Order: sequence, then structure tokens, then C-alpha cells
Amino acid sequence: KAGVTQTPRYLIKTRGQQVTLSCSPISGHRSVSWYQQTPGQGLQFLFEYFSETQRNKGNFPGRFSGRQFSNSRSEMNVSTLELGDSALYLCASSLGSGILVNEQFFGPGTRLTVL
Amino acid sequence: QKEVEQNSGPLSVPEGAIASLNCTYSDRGSQSFFWYRQYSGKSPELIMFIYSNGDKEDGRFTAQLNKASQYVSLLIRDSQPSDSATYLCAAPPDSGSARQLTFGSGTQLTVLP
Repeated sequence: KAGVTQTPRYLIKTRGQQVTLSCSPISGHRSVSWYQQTPGQGLQFLFEYFSETQRNKGNFPGRFSGRQFSNSRSEMNVSTLELGDSALYLCASSLGSGILVNEQFFGPGTRLTVL
Repeated sequence: QKEVEQNSGPLSVPEGAIASLNCTYSDRGSQSFFWYRQYSGKSPELIMFIYSNGDKEDGRFTAQLNKASQYVSLLIRDSQPSDSATYLCAAPPDSGSARQLTFGSGTQLTVLP
């Protein structure tokens, strides 16, 4: 079974631009969560999508948004990029039903650099 | 605001020794806990999760949970150089999605040959 895929793997943007990152979950998984990882703040939850609906959102500004498609693939968008948005963006997929323990599988991440 | 704290290390142990990684959490309502391993330049991979008080063993790994003390640990027996990585403790909110994880800052483990 194929794992979680994320595209692109590396991205360089300049301040003020916007960026869209893509995540394809494991086949059969309906939940996709996004995380940001930086050396200073560590791993921080951005948002979770399940069945095309955002279920939870972390403490990030409105410049960060996402969506999920009917095939469970998800995209996240960051508008008006700031230097501090440079980070590794990780997508995690899980089966997603119920509130019981759900194992999350992380993708390889997208390394975003903002110049 | 839920907090998950780990002894930041770095932690060095000789090959074959037991590595002990610790994590405390602030939310008494937390029900489950996850341990992830992250190699340098790679994404996190799940090692174990635990949601009952006591010990849970999987091969060389043992997770221990003490809800009264709000403490969770990971023991790695017979440590190998390939265990050298950063270990992340994580917990979801006490209600709502188990997939909204709060991560600790991680403990960097080095196993010396």
C-alpha cells in the first residue's frame, strides 16, 4: 500500500507570495491533518480535514487555509508569505472515524523556504 | 492550553543500554499518548501509543503511563545505534479529534557504538 505523498518536496518563495501544498493520503484514509515544524516552535497542528470538512483548527492566522477533495486529497494554502512561514509542512493521514485512537501516518513533508 | 513537555536532552547512552525518555502533560483529561521517532531530515513515524495506566510493550520498546502523575515515558531496551533519533511525545485534546496532536519539543537520543 502506498504511503502518504506530498508535493512538492521543496519550494522557495518570496515574501508576499502565496503557496499551495498538496497531500495524498493512504488509500482508504479519510482524515488528513496538517502540521508545521520549525526549529523554534517544533511541531504544531494546523488543521484537520475529514470528508471534505475542516474538523479542527490550530492557532494559526487566517493566511493559512486548506481544503479536502472528495477523493480525500488535501491542499493547504498560505497567502501573503512571511519569512517566519519557512518551515517543514507535514501532512498526516489516518482512517479518521470516531474519536478513538487513530494512528497517523506522516508524509515526507514539503520544505518551504521564504526569502 | 494543553502543554506537553519533554526533557530536551540530548541524551546519550551506550549500545545495549536502556534509554529512558520522559514526558509530562498538563491536561488531566488527556486520554491517549503517542511516541514518534524522527530521524534527521525525515518525517515522524509512530512507535507506540498508550491510553491505559501501566505499561505497554512492543519489542524493545515499552511505554509507561501514569495518569495520576501526568507522566508518560518510553523505554528502549538493548539500544542500537539505529535508534539514534529525536523522540517526540504527543497527546490529543481530552475531547474532540484524536488527530489534533500537541507535540513536545522532542528528546534527541544518541546511541554510542
